[in-house]
Amino acid sequence: DGGITQSPKYLFRKEGQNVTLSCEQNLNHDAMYWYRQDPGQGLRLIYYSQIVNDFQKGDIAEGYSVSREKKESFPLTVTSAQKNPTAFYLCASSNDPGGSPYNEQFFGPGTRLTVL
Amino acid sequence: AQRVTQPEKLLSVFKGAPVELKCNYSYSGSPELFWYVQYSRQRLQLLLRHISRESIKGFTADLNKGETSFHLKKPFAQEEDSAMYYCALETSGSRLTFGEGTQLTVNP
Repeated sequence: DGGITQSPKYLFRKEGQNVTLSCEQNLNHDAMYWYRQDPGQGLRLIYYSQIVNDFQKGDIAEGYSVSREKKESFPLTVTSAQKNPTAFYLCASSNDPGGSPYNEQFFGPGTRLTVL
Repeated sequence: AQRVTQPEKLLSVFKGAPVELKCNYSYSGSPELFWYVQYSRQRLQLLLRHISRESIKGFTADLNKGETSFHLKKPFAQEEDSAMYYCALETSGSRLTFGEGTQLTVNP
């Protein structure tokens, strides 16, 4: 199914290397989000963007960076400064950048990053 | 600070039994709450919103502001309900704070 795509599905990185995870959406949504999913910890927000060329830090932004140059794309870079980068990363989008009780976030299939 | 707690990491019931997945929150503002579900090999998706007062796949959830809870309930569990369930709280803008998740297993 389309909507939100993430690539690659699996990614391996050596310690000390930066790596970029791709997230693309064709839903014409204004807002996009990056989450990290670890067993027993649920989803934790890394960064989010409510509009093109603007983004805000989430709860665990240290060691990560993002850009939002196009409405449909929100790539996440995991830098060497991230102490424990091995995790499952989820991207999401929504068309309610201001928030709403009717808000719905649509999720991608995820990227599993393993640092060797 | 906002926080969502799901006290049960694992919950196992038999088919046809009632099921309740607990969710408690702390938030100083007016809470907007959601349940998201992730079935095996599928994407995380919205199950229901408290504002809609809807029943989806037989599940309902009532917001109890006095107890700061938003428990998810279903009177008769089905095997296809087996999944990971996340409670989520919308805070500033459109950002969501998720609980730790509850893995529900419905046994035949």
